Amino acid sequence: TQLLEQSPQFLSIQEGENLTVYCNSSSVFSSLQWYRQEPGEGPVLLVTVVTGGEVKKLKRLTFQFGDARKDSSLHITAAQPGDTGLYLCAGARGSNYKLTFGKGTLLTVNP
Amino acid sequence: DVKVTQSSRYLVKRTGEKVFLECVQDMDHENMFWYRQDPGLGLRLIYFSYDVKMKEKGDIPEGYSVSREKKERFSLILESASTNQTSMYLCASSLRDEKLFFGSGTQLSVL
Repeated sequence: TQLLEQSPQFLSIQEGENLTVYCNSSSVFSSLQWYRQEPGEGPVLLVTVVTGGEVKKLKRLTFQFGDARKDSSLHITAAQPGDTGLYLCAGARGSNYKLTFGKGTLLTVNP
Repeated sequence: DVKVTQSSRYLVKRTGEKVFLECVQDMDHENMFWYRQDPGLGLRLIYFSYDVKMKEKGDIPEGYSVSREKKERFSLILESASTNQTSMYLCASSLRDEKLFFGSGTQLSVL
């Protein structure tokens, strides 16, 4: 079973700060997805990265896929309370049938 | 928008009861999934289905079974509920090789 390790597990910051969440593995993935889950809801897909070295931006969120396709990072600029949630990375090998999920990073942004 | 609907948000059952968790999606997706989410363990795949009447075991199928008689509906069955099956259960659907759409989850408590 491939493992995806996310760090940090918990993160509590003040509004306006920047942060980076990491997702690391010893396995190669064909693609990697990032989800955000708010309390009482299911995860919602933010982005999929496919190519090694790829960088995608979604407003204040920047996602990067490592050159070797084994790791990824999520950087949030000027965090806002609305960014609060559980951030999950998930890796796919060939298809989405059996995604491997990380355990998540619980982010709290305090006003 | 894709909608994945889980029949119950909260469910309380007794040890030994047979439990049915229902999930319906409205976008004609081929793939459907059942995950459980536990603190510190992340999302773990129980079963998935890639077509009507087709199913495959995920990472933790023991104590569970599934049914997919119609394309839009995927049921998770706990034949004899046990306390260690207390968890958040998440249903998801996807087109082939596309992103997962999750339901809002069912918090099951087995007493």
